[in-house]
Parts: sequence; C-alpha cells; structure tokens
Amino acid sequence: EAQVTQNPRYLITVTGKKLTVTCSQNMNHEYMSWYRQDPGLGLRQIYYSMNVEATDKGDVPEGYKVSRKEKRNFPLILESPSPNQTSLYFCASSLGRGARTTGELFFGEGSRLTVL
Amino acid sequence: AQKVTQAQTEISVVEKEDVTLDCVYETRDTTYYLFWYKQPPSGELVFLIRRNSFDEQNEISGRYSWNFQKSTSSFNFTITASQVVDSAVYFCALLYGQNFVFGPGTRLSVLP
Repeated sequence: EAQVTQNPRYLITVTGKKLTVTCSQNMNHEYMSWYRQDPGLGLRQIYYSMNVEATDKGDVPEGYKVSRKEKRNFPLILESPSPNQTSLYFCASSLGRGARTTGELFFGEGSRLTVL
Repeated sequence: AQKVTQAQTEISVVEKEDVTLDCVYETRDTTYYLFWYKQPPSGELVFLIRRNSFDEQNEISGRYSWNFQKSTSSFNFTITASQVVDSAVYFCALLYGQNFVFGPGTRLSVLP
C-alpha cells in the first residue's frame, strides 16, 4: 500500500531534549517536505527536499534540521525543542519531474508533539 | 510576498445546501499551482484538486466544483447538495517554485 509513515504519532517531551520524528515513503517520490499545523495558521512549510542530499528551507525552518540520505526517508530533527514548537507535524511526499514537484502531496498521518 | 487567504474561518450549513469556500491568493510568479486539500475529523490530509496558472477552466467533479479566476486571484470551491461527510477543514494552497503556502483553512460543518 502506498503510504507515508511518520513516527512517533504522539510525543510529550521537555525543553532541550533532542528528538527526531521519522518519515518514510514507499512511492519512490523525489520530493519530500515537512509542515507544522497550528490553529488559525494552517500548515506552514518547514523544510523540503527535491532529492537525496538536496534540502532547502521553507517558511519556518528555525529550530529544525532535516537530512535526506536516502530517497525514502526524511527525518525532522529538533536539536533543542522549545514550547513554541508544540504543534502537529505532517510529512508529505510528491512525485517530482526534473526540478519540479507535480504538487499533489501525499501526507503522513501527523505527529502531535508537546514540549513542556 | 506569497500568501493565501481564506477569509471564512467557520461555516455551518444544513445538509443538502450548497456552500462555497473562498480562497484568495497573492503571488508575483506567473507560473504557479493552486490546490485544495480536505482534512476530515480523523486528521489526515486529502488532495482534492490541482490547477496550474495557465488553465482557468472551471472544473466539476461530482458534487464538487472549482472556479479559478486570475483576474481576482481567486480559486473558490463549491460543494453542491452538501452532506454530513463533507464536514472537515478545507485548505487552499499555492505552490510557487518548490514552496507550498497554505491558507489558514475553513472549517465546514454540515448539520443533518
């Protein structure tokens, strides 16, 4: 079954404790991206990746890191989480053609993160 | 700046009513794509439609229709004869380059 898988789905952590949210897709998609969803703000893009070893900042990259060492995986790293990073996070992937994504995003189920 | 506005925060309708969700976008790019996504209460995000900036034809898919007007920078979404299962948050989104910008969403409640 074609899917984007995120883990963990729910996490409560404390300020400053490094954490990683994993994202894996089995559709051989070139494009992957991370979003955070906050009430009244919709989804905001954190980082995206056009292909292996090619990542770029979205609109709200501060406090986050990503890596793309393999095509299927795109982990989101919070080196020193803070309470303002409490949010619902979505990973998504999309088929890319050359330098462009086709745009139809396939989303994971979301990861709800609480930072105390 | 690239921006998507969905002025309607919440809409409530009674089943079988028609409802239109508004989306206004801002971009300086001449090539861009517009999208609608649905987020039902279960939380997943579901792709509904994509439209590129060179294609202003309206589209109909069953009870759903979309009206794209470049002159007013709008990409509105109409549900005809709404059903309870249409209750969800709907997001309009703009893709320019490789960046996605989402609107804040409109929460639609369809009452039986």
